[in-house]
Amino acid sequence: DSGVTQTPKHLITATGQRVTLRCSPRSGDLSVYWYQQSLDQGLQFLIQYYNGEERAKGNILERFSAQQFPDLHSELNLSSLELGDSALYFCASSPRDGVGSPLHFGNGTRLTVT
Amino acid sequence: AQSVTQPDIHITVSEGASLELRCNYSYGATPYLFWYVQSPGQGLQLLLKYFSGDTLVQGIKGFEAEFKRSQSSFNLRKPSVHWSDAAEYFCAVGAWPMEYGNKLVFGAGTILRVKS
Repeated sequence: DSGVTQTPKHLITATGQRVTLRCSPRSGDLSVYWYQQSLDQGLQFLIQYYNGEERAKGNILERFSAQQFPDLHSELNLSSLELGDSALYFCASSPRDGVGSPLHFGNGTRLTVT
Repeated sequence: AQSVTQPDIHITVSEGASLELRCNYSYGATPYLFWYVQSPGQGLQLLLKYFSGDTLVQGIKGFEAEFKRSQSSFNLRKPSVHWSDAAEYFCAVGAWPMEYGNKLVFGAGTILRVKS
């Protein structure tokens, strides 16, 4: 158990809809990361937050947004969903922001868009 | 931009045999390198990491990896594979400089099958 909690585990929704994925980092970790894993794109970095502030951005679509709250949990909002958004979405956390701070991953949320 | 190549999509080894999973990276500076393992339905678990110093690093579950700068490689090895090692293995490189945050770039993964 990595200590990172993601909810829900599975999500099935229709095209055009909006969903929210939630992540609770390990106790004491200040950084939260979101990754998307799909068969065609592999593991893609979406976004990183550190202590409530956006730290780094990757291949995140404009239809997607995230935030980290004062209690350090994070939410990833996906809107105007398309079939291609179906993927496994991972949250990870680390104690610090610095390069090399090992990431601890949750078990993911599997999103299916029909 | 950094990139990671794992040339083998699938590898099958017999239980008890040795294992080597290949990883090549492209990066202009000294990389921070990682190996993660993902079992079905699970998140990624860190096996080992290389930051600097000794180029042979030891990890959990009996795995080790060797950093070879001249070959831009960071291959993962295990002397004797167990059936429970069947999983997907990902090599990753950390971004630098720090204004890019702690972003990891992952390879496409290698699926390891273990036959008895």
